[in-house]
This record gives sequence, structure tokens and C-alpha cells, in this order.
Amino acid sequence: SAVISQKPSRDICQRGTSLTIQCQVDSQVTMMFWYRQQPGQSLTLIATANQGSEATYESGFVIDKFPISRPNLTFSTLTVSNMSPEDSSIYLCSVGTSRGNTFGSGTRLTVV
Amino acid sequence: GEDVEQSLFLSVREGDSSVINCTYTDSSSTYLYWYKQEPGAGLQLLTYIFSNMDMKQDQRLTVLLNKKDKHLSLRIADTQTGDSAIYFCAESINNNDMRFGAGTRLTVKP
Repeated sequence: SAVISQKPSRDICQRGTSLTIQCQVDSQVTMMFWYRQQPGQSLTLIATANQGSEATYESGFVIDKFPISRPNLTFSTLTVSNMSPEDSSIYLCSVGTSRGNTFGSGTRLTVV
Repeated sequence: GEDVEQSLFLSVREGDSSVINCTYTDSSSTYLYWYKQEPGAGLQLLTYIFSNMDMKQDQRLTVLLNKKDKHLSLRIADTQTGDSAIYFCAESINNNDMRFGAGTRLTVKP
């Protein structure tokens, strides 16, 4: 199955700043996804990152807040913009495979 | 929207079997999954089952699916302390975008 490298693994950021999270896959994949896992909660899909076109966002998530890049079939970034403490979460990159989605180890973000 | 529900906590003794239950509402669900999340880590896919199957066994793991009742369970035989983690049930129509349950925190006591 695909191996995903996600970085940073954790960060503590100041309110009002932005953080870009990188996701690198060891093989070419069509579908890449970004999830958020708020403290003590389950995963919520933020958006699907499409190569060569704009990301598709789920209800409640907007491009201005969570801009996504997908420059090729092995890489994607998620930016959390103008952060507030409510953005403190684990952010996970995921890729679709024939045997279910594979997840990166996540980025644990704390906004102070 | 469509929901995936599971109990939040389960505690068992080492060596006993653990059964984690999950219910879902979307009758179009084609793929059903169990993920494991250890503290500070991402999600590890444990196993998955297609909706046209009713059972799948993989070493200590047994997945049972009752499609009529939309009920999925994960049985872990001979539970070990290393099995302590949060277990997420998830479903998908197309094996891409997925809906997750809230996770069941399994605690294994020695």
C-alpha cells in the first residue's frame, strides 16, 4: 500500500498566522484527501485534492481558510490560514487505494 | 446526513475477546472499514469488508456484517495490551470519501 509522509508532525502557532502542511506519497495516486480530527472527536473530511484542478471542499470548509495545492500525483499541501485556537486539531492527509484509504501520521496543530 | 455510530468506550481483560460494534445508516454503503489509532499516531487500516460479504477473518480479527440491520462488528480474539487504541468504523460508497464513527476507545487491562 502507499506510504505517506506528512510534515510537520506537530506545531504550535500564533493566532493570526498560517501553517502549510505537506503530504508526500511514494506512488502516484489519483485521489488525495485532507481530514481534520478535533480533540476527542472523529475525522471530518475537509476537501478532496484534485490534480490539475481546484480542490473540492466539504460543507463548512472554504478555500480562503484552507487553500490546497496539488501540483502533481504524489504531493499536496493544505494551508490553515489566519489561525485561531478553534483550529487546534490533528490534520491528516489520506490517499485512496483499492483497499481503502491510507492515512499519514497527521499534523498536530496547537494555536495559541 | 448519513451517520456512523459506535460506542465510545470498551474495557476488557488481557486474553479476553473484544467486540466493538458499529451501526450505519446509508444503505448505499459499499465498503466498510475498521481503523486503529494509537496515541499520537495516524490511522492504520485494520481491515475492510465489502457490503456483499457477511464475514471476514484475518488472524485475530473477525469482521461481521449484518447488512439488513446495517450493523458492523469487529472482534479481536486474545486481546493484548498492545491492542489498546481507538478503533474507528467507517463507510464509503465509492472507496474514496469516507464517513467515520466517533471511535471506540479500547482499554485492555492486564
